[in-house]
Amino acid sequence: SYELTQPLSVSVALGQTARITCGGNNIGSKNVHWYQQKPGQAPVLVIYRDSNRPSGIPERFSGSNSGNTATLTISRAQAGDEADYYCQVWDSSTADVFGTGTKVTVL
Amino acid sequence: EVQLVESGGGLVQPGRSLRLSCTASGFTFGDYAMSWVRQAPGKGLEWVGFIRSKAYGGTTEYAASVKGRFTISRDDSKSIAYLQMNSLKTEDTAVYYCTRAVQFYFDYWGQGTLVTVSS
Repeated sequence: SYELTQPLSVSVALGQTARITCGGNNIGSKNVHWYQQKPGQAPVLVIYRDSNRPSGIPERFSGSNSGNTATLTISRAQAGDEADYYCQVWDSSTADVFGTGTKVTVL
Repeated sequence: EVQLVESGGGLVQPGRSLRLSCTASGFTFGDYAMSWVRQAPGKGLEWVGFIRSKAYGGTTEYAASVKGRFTISRDDSKSIAYLQMNSLKTEDTAVYYCTRAVQFYFDYWGQGTLVTVSS
């Protein structure tokens, strides 16, 4: 089965840049999607197909994907960006797979 | 405005059944695949399964953890997706989210409904 590995937590200073990684075997050959989940709320799509932002998502959120690692980058981090972030891919053998999740703390 | 509203959650004993509903509005329901995703208390997201639109055969796919016990169906005339859960186990306790699926990602989510499996 296909697995996606994320760091448990990432800390970032207010106004600085946070990078959240998502590791998977040859993930660069897949489309990666990212979700933000704040406490007590449903997840929200923030990046789809590696680097595309849905309408309403700030330009501060960007994504990249290559080799065995996909990355979600949050520029000029704000207090409101504190949340759990999950990557997700479709794999032909496992179907939809979510990453383990990363808790982002803005200091 | 796209809205997805789940219902049907609650407390159920192990081995029993429960059916969740997802009522959609704000888009042409029949044009989209629909998916269910769950989240156990304090844990991460777990994909449960999805149903394709009729244009793609209306077929279903399931996670290995629920295959053979859970069934997803849809009623396009009512804009409702269902999740029939049989032979429930304590490890099925979770918030269940209904999502709209687009090219294998989930662009809209409901607010979730809690299912607690306990004796």
